[in-house]
This record gives sequence, structure tokens and C-alpha cells, in this order.
Amino acid sequence: SQTIHQWPATLVQPVGSPLSLECTVEGTSNPNLYWYRQAAGRGLQLLFYSVGIGQISSEVPQNLSASRPQDRQFILSSKKLLLSDSGFYLCATNSGAGNTIYFGEGSWLTVV
Amino acid sequence: GQQLNQSPQSMFIQEGEDVSMNCTSSSIFNTWLWYKQDPGEGPVLLIALYKAGELTSNGRLTAQFGITRKDSFLNISASIPSDVGIYFCAINAGGTSYGKLTFGQGTILTVHP
Repeated sequence: SQTIHQWPATLVQPVGSPLSLECTVEGTSNPNLYWYRQAAGRGLQLLFYSVGIGQISSEVPQNLSASRPQDRQFILSSKKLLLSDSGFYLCATNSGAGNTIYFGEGSWLTVV
Repeated sequence: GQQLNQSPQSMFIQEGEDVSMNCTSSSIFNTWLWYKQDPGEGPVLLIALYKAGELTSNGRLTAQFGITRKDSFLNISASIPSDVGIYFCAINAGGTSYGKLTFGQGTILTVHP
């Protein structure tokens, strides 16, 4: 079964600073990858998804961007963080024939 | 986009009691999922439902996919302290990307020993 790794686990960044959150997946090839955000411990919102290298779809307008430089690597970035970017960011994947979605451990971002 | 109404928003129960929560939508879906999230961790899939009317159990958990395909419920029997967490229903947007999930608002469960 696949394993999802996210880092860093926790991040405190000042407003206006850049951001890079990384997600890697093991145990699968050609996975679909997703970035979700969870604010205030309730409700996950899909931000981006990718069906292959270099293919990124954005679900909501925002201050963030995503990239997929390798098959099993998904990166969430920002050039200038806003206070509203604070939250719990989760990488997810579904692969193989099933439509079961698995989440990583998450990355806590606090923008101060 | 789709919206799910999940209730109750929170529950405070005694250990040993049974728990029931549900989700409804205005649209028909082919997949209902139930996740549990512990504090500071990613959600973990509990039960996945793929057929209308399907009733599936996972230990003390039972979930059903409503006949109308617009609702689902999750029951937890004989609750224990480790059941504490946030429970989310989710539906699958389908199409070419099954991971495009829409989540309910969550049910916060507190279990008193």
C-alpha cells in the first residue's frame, strides 16, 4: 500500500515570506495527487490536484500554487504568504483501481 | 459545488453509549466515505460505500449508503475513549479524478469515561 510523507510537519512563517510544502508518495506509480486545506479543525477544502507530472488543476482562487516536478512529488508554494493562508495542509492520493483516498500526516502552517 | 450537511456538529457522550451521525446532500452521488481525524493528524478512512442501500461494518462502526443516494449515516456502538475525534462524511466528485472529495462540516465526538 502507498505511504504519503509530508514535511515540514509544522511551520511558522511571517506574512510576506515564501512557502514550500512538500509531499512524496511511496509504494505506487502514476498516482493522482491532491492538496487540501483545513482551517480551524473543520472541513477540508480541495486546493489543487494533479493527474501527472507537470499537470496541475486549481480548484479555488488563492494565493498558493502547486507543482509536480516528479511522478511521486507534489509541492505547495507561495511567493508571499498572507495571514489567511494559515491552516492545516494535507496531501492526499488515490491510486490503482480503487477510488479510496489516503491522506498524509499534514503540515501545520501558522502565518504571523 | 456540492454541499453536504452533516449533523450533529458535536456530541458529548458517556463511554459505552452508541453514537449516530448522518450526512445529506441535494445531489445524487455514487460514493460515500466516512473519515475520522485525530487531533493534528490527517483523516483516516473508516468506511467506503459504493452502492445505494449498502450497509457496511468495520468493527463497532456501521455505515449505510441511503437508498436515494443522497444521504448516509455512521453508527458507532459501545463507544470507548479512543473514539474521540472529528468524523467527516465525504462524497466523491467522480469523473476522471476520484480524489476530488467534498467533505461535510464534521462531527466532533467527545467520550467521557
